[in-house]
Amino acid sequence: EAGVTQFPSHSVIEKGQTVTLRCDPISGHDNLYWYRRVMGKEIKFLLHFVKESKQDESGMPNNRFLAERTGGTYSTLKVQPAELEDSGVYFCASSFRDRGLAKNIQYFGAGTRLSVL
Amino acid sequence: ELKVEQNPLFLSMQEGKNYTIYCNYSTTSDRLYWYRQDPGKSLESLFVLLSNGAVKQEGRLMASLDTKARLSTLHITAAVHDLSATYFCAALGAKIIFGKGTRLHILP
Repeated sequence: EAGVTQFPSHSVIEKGQTVTLRCDPISGHDNLYWYRRVMGKEIKFLLHFVKESKQDESGMPNNRFLAERTGGTYSTLKVQPAELEDSGVYFCASSFRDRGLAKNIQYFGAGTRLSVL
Repeated sequence: ELKVEQNPLFLSMQEGKNYTIYCNYSTTSDRLYWYRQDPGKSLESLFVLLSNGAVKQEGRLMASLDTKARLSTLHITAAVHDLSATYFCAALGAKIIFGKGTRLHILP
């Protein structure tokens, strides 16, 4: 079974440009999450989709970040325009809907390393 | 607000030694997770701890949870080089909050 896949694995852009990151969750996972890790810091929650709906977007830094999950399958995270402080590793994770005592383990992708110059 | 603190942040140790990584969290949490990340790879789920006193073991790794002390530990027994990686703990509140990670380097 394919895991969570993210594309690209590494992106280098200049300040002011636009970048779109993509995440393909594990098939059948309704929950999809985006996280970001800035170098040396903790992994921080950005937002959570349940199918195509945004369940929680409290972690989104500002309105330069736009996440979509059309059709409840893959998701994109667009940064426009990118700033230097947006550099970091962006992780995507997916999980089944929590069912009672289910562990709701999140399965992570390998991340996209974004470097804004 | 739930906060998670791990220590140490970096650990270099020789093969064959034992060591413990600590994870403190600030408020009540339903679940405690441990993840492992190899460089450039995804986070791999190691353990999910659900209740006070829970202890889980997989190979040379053992995780425990004390909800009263709001403390989880990841104990490494007789470390081997293959265990070199970054280990994250994370606690579930309204959402999952991660610690900064412990980079473990095991010297042959």
